[in-house]
Amino acid sequence: NAGVTQTPKFQVLKTGQSMTLQCAQDMNHEYMSWYRQDPGMGLRLIHYSVGAGITDQGEVPNGYNVSRSTTEDFPLRLLSAAPSQTSVYFCASSYSREREKLFFGSGTQLSVL
Amino acid sequence: AQSVTQPDIHITVSEGASLELRCNYSYGATPYLFWYVQSPGQGLQLLLKYFSGDTLVQGIKGFEAEFKRSQSSFNLRKPSVHWSDAAEYFCAVGVRYSGGGADGLTFGKGTHLIIQP
Repeated sequence: NAGVTQTPKFQVLKTGQSMTLQCAQDMNHEYMSWYRQDPGMGLRLIHYSVGAGITDQGEVPNGYNVSRSTTEDFPLRLLSAAPSQTSVYFCASSYSREREKLFFGSGTQLSVL
Repeated sequence: AQSVTQPDIHITVSEGASLELRCNYSYGATPYLFWYVQSPGQGLQLLLKYFSGDTLVQGIKGFEAEFKRSQSSFNLRKPSVHWSDAAEYFCAVGVRYSGGGADGLTFGKGTHLIIQP
């Protein structure tokens, strides 16, 4: 059972480049979310989804896009990377009836130069 | 808006000693409260949660937490720490979700626990 899989684990981008962080889960979880973790800031919610075709914004959505075409996948897109987006990104999923019991991926460390 | 404060950025404890990590929350209604742990290089794992009822809740790995409404606190405790407890600990508050459970978690900034031999 793989759980929540994030790729890549590390990424370096130049300012203005675009990329997609991948997230996949094999637990048939309805709820999926993206967080960023910055030193001294804790985790902040970027976007979340309560099911395929449904997404919504979290606390810090600017500069990020998401889509949810399947239950399993929830990619996060950076359309034009900025140094302020240097962070560690975590994908998490849970059953809709127990959303607080989040299962986290191992994270993607992103540096934007 | 809900918020969580973890006053201690770092805590150092000797192996075998007791531990208490502090968490204070701000929330207008009855809070749903959680503690998560993050081991180095890993994602977060839910340790325990409080929704209602008994104010002392038990979690995994021998941890417990006590909800004190009068103090707006939800402190995490462990009677005797092990070297493997060294990690980052996050307190979080959520809002009740009509489908069950809690949603919209707001996390504190975390407390880094260091275990001395």
